[in-house]
Amino acid sequence: AQTVTQSQPEMSVQEAETVTLSCTYDTSESDYYLFWYKQPPSRQMILVIRQEAYKQQNATENRFSVNFQKAAKSFSLKISDSQLGDAAMYFCAYGGATNKLIFGTGTLLAVQP
Amino acid sequence: DTGVSQDPRHKITKRGQNVTFRCDPISEHNRLYWYRQTLGQGPEFLTYFQNEAQLEKSRLLSDRFSAERPKGSFSTLEIQRTEQGDSAMYLCASSPSGTKNIQYFGAGTRLSVL
Repeated sequence: AQTVTQSQPEMSVQEAETVTLSCTYDTSESDYYLFWYKQPPSRQMILVIRQEAYKQQNATENRFSVNFQKAAKSFSLKISDSQLGDAAMYFCAYGGATNKLIFGTGTLLAVQP
Repeated sequence: DTGVSQDPRHKITKRGQNVTFRCDPISEHNRLYWYRQTLGQGPEFLTYFQNEAQLEKSRLLSDRFSAERPKGSFSTLEIQRTEQGDSAMYLCASSPSGTKNIQYFGAGTRLSVL
């Protein structure tokens, strides 16, 4: 069975600084996707970034980028130039051969002004 | 399109009562998912539909839980004889068909069982 682990329950970053959120996963599948979702307080979860496992190039979306290390089964999210609106719970998720997503326990990110 | 819509946003019920939640997916999406999220945890998969067919159910979905998507559009999730352990956020998501597509989430229904 696939698992997703987020070992940082909480993180804090100063506005305009860079922060990295960690995620590791375990799978025996060769074809899969990895996702980072953002869940602001009392608001719906939105996709931040997606990485296809067969692509070696790390995905980037504006200030958000990932460091995908397939052999190490590691998938970290880097947020550059942090903004107050980035404060939220961040979930790492795995999507494999089945159609369900498997989520980690989340990292609560605080952004200090 | 306003995205995935869930109703109600909050539900408070007494133990033993039945509750029903509704999810309206993005109109062109034929896959619909239900997840449950408890405090401090990530969402856990419950079930999913491809059009009106329920294709997978988690072991978390006990006999008291039933989900339907009768016309392949909106879906309902019913919990019978609610228990305090059912208190959670119930999330709905939708996606177009094809594997590994992005799932778009609704804001969820928060259930409190007293």
